[in-house]
Amino acid sequence: TQLLEQSPQFLSIQEGENLTVYCNSSSVFSSLQWYRQEPGEGPVLLVTVVTGGEVKKLKRLTFQFGDARKDSSLHITAAQPGDTGLYLCAGAGNQGGKLIFGQGTELSVKP
Amino acid sequence: GAVVSQHPSRVICKSGTSVKIECRSLDFQATTMFWYRQFPKQSLMLMATSNEGSKATYEQGVEKDKFLINHASLTLSTLTVTSAHPEDSSFYICSARGENWAGSPLHFGNGTRLTVT
Repeated sequence: TQLLEQSPQFLSIQEGENLTVYCNSSSVFSSLQWYRQEPGEGPVLLVTVVTGGEVKKLKRLTFQFGDARKDSSLHITAAQPGDTGLYLCAGAGNQGGKLIFGQGTELSVKP
Repeated sequence: GAVVSQHPSRVICKSGTSVKIECRSLDFQATTMFWYRQFPKQSLMLMATSNEGSKATYEQGVEKDKFLINHASLTLSTLTVTSAHPEDSSFYICSARGENWAGSPLHFGNGTRLTVT
């Protein structure tokens, strides 16, 4: 069974601080995606990483896919209150396109 | 970009009644749709995989007779919660993927908040 361990599950920081969210697995994923979800809405795709070692940047967000394609990280620089939300990593498994989700990270950025 | 529409966004029903939730892909053909359940501040739990024209595949622990899934066309899948009880109250989200799924992201609906009284 493929599992994704996401940490931390809760994070409360002050505006301007940096943070990193981790997603780790013992399994290899063909691709990994990061989503952000606000209360009462569906997850919105932020990025997809496919190649081992790949780094993608989206404004203040930096996403990295591990060389072995078993782990990924999301780094936010100078967090803002608008970054508040639930961040989810999800890996494309080996079972017909199913996504394996991490436990999620509830981020709260205080002004 | 690809859009998935989910309806209704909120529904309140009485215990014992059934509720149908629709998931539509608006600008692509979704050969596969997924149904998730989510509790507050928690991640998404996959309930079942719905393939057009065939029976849904349910995850372990999900009652197929309680959560009926129908994927009758390439743009529509429905989830019916039968004989709903208060413990079925949750946020239900669907997602859809096109034919060439390898490496392509899922597109999610905006979810349905079900409250069973």
